Amino acid sequence: ETGVTQTPRHLVMGMTNKKSLKCEQHLGHNAMYWYKQSAKKPLELMFVYNFKEQTENNSVPSRFSPECPNSSHLFLHLHTLQPEDSALYLCASSQLGQPTSYNEQFFGPGTRLTVL
Amino acid sequence: GENVEQHPSTLSVQEGDSAVIKCTYSDSASNYFPWYKQELGKGPQLIIDIRSNVGEKKDQRIAVTLNKTAKHFSLHITETQPEDSAVYFCAASPGGYQKVTFGTGTKLQVIP
Repeated sequence: ETGVTQTPRHLVMGMTNKKSLKCEQHLGHNAMYWYKQSAKKPLELMFVYNFKEQTENNSVPSRFSPECPNSSHLFLHLHTLQPEDSALYLCASSQLGQPTSYNEQFFGPGTRLTVL
Repeated sequence: GENVEQHPSTLSVQEGDSAVIKCTYSDSASNYFPWYKQELGKGPQLIIDIRSNVGEKKDQRIAVTLNKTAKHFSLHITETQPEDSAVYFCAASPGGYQKVTFGTGTKLQVIP
């Protein structure tokens, strides 16, 4: 596997279900991100993990719970979601170094989530 | 925080013609401006970026220009081909550990 992989690619769940999205990066990066992509909206940054530590949580509802066990893996645990949470969830990674470095992000293919 | 606006939201061109997508940003501290291409069923892929120490950058049929005074930057695709059809996103970032802010995307359709 190369780059950033995400599983599953498609997920349909009811509002009472609990599911998890998985992301794995094979690039040796030290930062990982979850984004939400909805139609006709900019990419919404949800969470940032830098060296396995969560450094940003963009006011995301608690029904989304991230987990980063190591710098290569990132999970997004979902429970009691709402229909408006249906979207494409994208994972990305980057190599953050000196403050003058550039945050070049590499994206996975995304998980298309439908909440019924 | 940073605000990035992108125009147009949709763009149709004949094969062989040029396409131009324009973006503006608000944070004068931004110094990194990547462009991403997203094909159907795939995640965004970085195609080119420009950094604030240059005004223009080219890579084959793709070029980006940056005007820091006016806070706008553009993507130019020449000799468009059907495989250029995709959604293109601009973005801006102050660099380092700062987050990247994305535009709303432009759906480009190249008509054979």
